[in-house]
Amino acid sequence: QVQLVQSGAEVKEPGASVRVSCKASGYTFTSYYIHWVRQAPGQGPEWMGIINPNGGAPTYAQKFQGRVILTRDTATSTVYLELNNLKNEDTAFYYCARKELEGPGWFDPWGQGTLVSVSS
Amino acid sequence: QSVLTQPPSVSGAPGQKVTISCTGTRSNIGASYDVHWYQQFPGTAPKLLIFRNNNRPSGVPDRFSGSKSATAAYLDITGLQAEDEAEYYCQSYDSSLSNWVFGGGTKLTVL
Repeated sequence: QVQLVQSGAEVKEPGASVRVSCKASGYTFTSYYIHWVRQAPGQGPEWMGIINPNGGAPTYAQKFQGRVILTRDTATSTVYLELNNLKNEDTAFYYCARKELEGPGWFDPWGQGTLVSVSS
Repeated sequence: QSVLTQPPSVSGAPGQKVTISCTGTRSNIGASYDVHWYQQFPGTAPKLLIFRNNNRPSGVPDRFSGSKSATAAYLDITGLQAEDEAEYYCQSYDSSLSNWVFGGGTKLTVL
């Protein structure tokens, strides 16, 4: 079955960087874009960016421009989210999710989520 | 502040029907972008519930249905069951922001 499995929880200090991985299985990795979404405690999801595993430049939400980098490794069917210059308010669950093929589409499935805690 | 507006909470007794609204603007729902709905239980990832306004993925009971009007979308849940108690989110695309956008979520309580 289609599955996205993310790396484990991270604890970081303000100003540090974090990298979260998302390993895809059960489908052709290069055929579907992958989104990254975060969800702060008690808040709705917030879209961060999207990457085409088949190549091309990722697209980032303006809010995260300059602080987020999305990359992919086709050999291991894994996409990565790197968030730099972490702030306390970056504490959230970070999710990867597959984008459907046509149009803006929906998010399905989602990874299990990775909790990133930022605190001094 | 979420781009799509949902009521913070709704409630209903077992067997009843509830409707969750999702209000947008001319640059998202009003621009004819599809609306999708997700169900989220505490401590788990959101799960697709309705796609393309009114379509259910396999395995989703037909008690869940969606609809869409000019600048709003609606999620109906009929025959409420205790297991439906969860957070529900709507999602669309916004052409002004060039972003995928979500609602702030609605907490469903089954009385």
